[in-house]
Amino acid sequence: DARVTQTPRHKVTEMGQEVTMRCQPILGHNTVFWYRQTMMQGLELLAYFRNRAPLDDSGMPKDRFSAEMPDATLATLKIQPSEPRDSAVYFCASGLVPDGRSSYNEQFFGPGTRLTVL
Amino acid sequence: GIQVEQSPPDLILQEGANSTLRCNFSDSVNNLQWFHQNPWGQLINLFYIPSGTKQNGRLSATTVATERYSLLYISSSQTTDSGVYFCAVERKGANSKLTFGKGITLSVRP
Repeated sequence: DARVTQTPRHKVTEMGQEVTMRCQPILGHNTVFWYRQTMMQGLELLAYFRNRAPLDDSGMPKDRFSAEMPDATLATLKIQPSEPRDSAVYFCASGLVPDGRSSYNEQFFGPGTRLTVL
Repeated sequence: GIQVEQSPPDLILQEGANSTLRCNFSDSVNNLQWFHQNPWGQLINLFYIPSGTKQNGRLSATTVATERYSLLYISSSQTTDSGVYFCAVERKGANSKLTFGKGITLSVRP
């Protein structure tokens, strides 16, 4: 049963601490997305990668957030230092976007990491 | 950017009732997905439907891309249908970036 996995599922930390969230995309998918969900802003795209290369991180606060794909089976989202306003659910999603002229882009979401920054 | 509006914002149904959820969008799209976020927070894919009509059990969806809307039909609703339904679109030229609507909160009462 192919699915996106995320760790940890829950994280409580204190302001100023570093937080690292991990995502394992569905095997064979070439595009990985990071989203954040809050009551106020809804679901927002933070950053995404295709074939491990960053395509867009314009949704991400650059001073404290960073996203990487060390290899095809692991994506990370790091916050350093964390702040209370970062409290949210962070979702990873993956998809297989064919090369060429196809516009197919179905995204599959992981269970999310619920982050609370005190 | 593209605007995605979902209506109604909230919906309460008696078990067994039918309903139609709407998604309007302000620009041409390559792709459109419907998701169900269950009470545990999981986002579940319902339909990938950039155009046309699809059915899956009690659910069906129709997207009329030329008129910039999509509809999700739920028939014979069950309490397990409760949750938030999101429409997400990829504007043409957006290179895979999805924009989500604010969601429709559905409560199905026994």
